[in-house]
Amino acid sequence: GAVVSQHPSRVICKSGTSVKIECRSLDFQATTMFWYRQFPKQSLMLMATSNEGSKATYEQGVEKDKFLINHASLTLSTLTVTSAHPEDSSFYICSATPLAGGPNEQFFGPGTRLTVL
Amino acid sequence: GQNIDQPTEMTATEGAIVQINCTYQTSGFNGLFWYQQHAGEAPTFLSYNVLDGLEEKGRFSSFLSRSKGYSYLLLKELQMKDSASYLCAVKDSNYQLIWGAGTKLIIKP
Repeated sequence: GAVVSQHPSRVICKSGTSVKIECRSLDFQATTMFWYRQFPKQSLMLMATSNEGSKATYEQGVEKDKFLINHASLTLSTLTVTSAHPEDSSFYICSATPLAGGPNEQFFGPGTRLTVL
Repeated sequence: GQNIDQPTEMTATEGAIVQINCTYQTSGFNGLFWYQQHAGEAPTFLSYNVLDGLEEKGRFSSFLSRSKGYSYLLLKELQMKDSASYLCAVKDSNYQLIWGAGTKLIIKP
């Protein structure tokens, strides 16, 4: 089956630093990747949609200068949390839609737990 | 606005059957999904319904009524490993997934 990986799985950083999270589709090419954030006991919140080679589309209320998304290839998207603050501590999950699949297929990565001290 | 409603928490007994309901109000409809999410992990796909009726897949079944804006996930022969959150999500007219807050299912021996 289609596999999506994320790296790192956990990261702890100091306030004011930047953190980069990678999302890779391991055995398929992804036209579209999605970045979600999930706070404890809450559902997934879509942050942005990224398409390979173009600028990401951010959801309302998500600061594009703070959450930088780069989708440089059909198998890799990165999310950089710049100048992280404790309120950015959350579970970040990416998902990918296969190039060769239907529009209803979406495969999730295992998530990245970010803790900002 | 768009809205997905599902119970916050449910409790069931090992070996029993449980039904998790989901009602939705969205701008357009292009399918309803159920995902399972264990604590600290990413969601895993369970089912997809786009036409009315029941879709059965092993111990799990999902039902959809588009006219009522209603779906349920039925879990049979419950096992302890089924303890998880179950997320209902609907694709709207823009093919964007709208997520419910999830139902935490607690299985007791």
